Amino acid sequence: DIQMTQSPSSLSASEGDRVTITCRASQSITRYLNWYQQKPGKAPNLLIYGASNLQSGVPSRFSGSGSGTDFTLTVTSLQPEDFATYYCQQSYNMPRTFGGGTKVEIK
Amino acid sequence: EVQLVESGGGLVQPGGSLRLSCAASGFTFRSYWMYWVRQTPGKGLVWVSRIKYDGSITTYADSVKGRFTISRDNAMNTVDLQVSSLRAEDTAVYYCVREASSDGSYYFDYWGQGTLLTVSS
Repeated sequence: DIQMTQSPSSLSASEGDRVTITCRASQSITRYLNWYQQKPGKAPNLLIYGASNLQSGVPSRFSGSGSGTDFTLTVTSLQPEDFATYYCQQSYNMPRTFGGGTKVEIK
Repeated sequence: EVQLVESGGGLVQPGGSLRLSCAASGFTFRSYWMYWVRQTPGKGLVWVSRIKYDGSITTYADSVKGRFTISRDNAMNTVDLQVSSLRAEDTAVYYCVREASSDGSYYFDYWGQGTLLTVSS
């Protein structure tokens, strides 16, 4: 199985900050990498697919980059509604696997 | 509007069985692979099972193989997960998820609200 490792596991940030989350795959997944946002008590919500494609309806302050084994999710100018947990997920092969999550908290 | 609505969760004793159901609406259900993904505080998000759009292929995580069975009814737009020989470690929120594809990418674009399965005596 492909292991997905996110860092950091949590971070504190202020409204307006630029935030970067990293995801590393245990082998090359080319660009088969997706990002999700999850708020407490809710299901995950797709933000980015194919490493850098913004899902319809997602604000443009979210962006993704990377290929191979190393990927990043960037949020420019963090908004109050962005405080949540973020997960990466590979869709290169089965089983689909997720990172452990990064919790973005208010500083 | 795409909707996935799970039902059937609850409290079950170890060794017991239950049937989780997912009712889909707002899209051409028979055109999509459907998945079950579970989430626990300790192990995060974990894929459990999937079924091809026509039901001809089913796949399971090693941890549930032989105990869980996924099925679908394309006439009723439902996908079910029959869970049996339950263990404490099966306790989780179970999500019904649609997998979409675009430009060769695969991603989970719609999730249900989740149904909680608790295995405890």
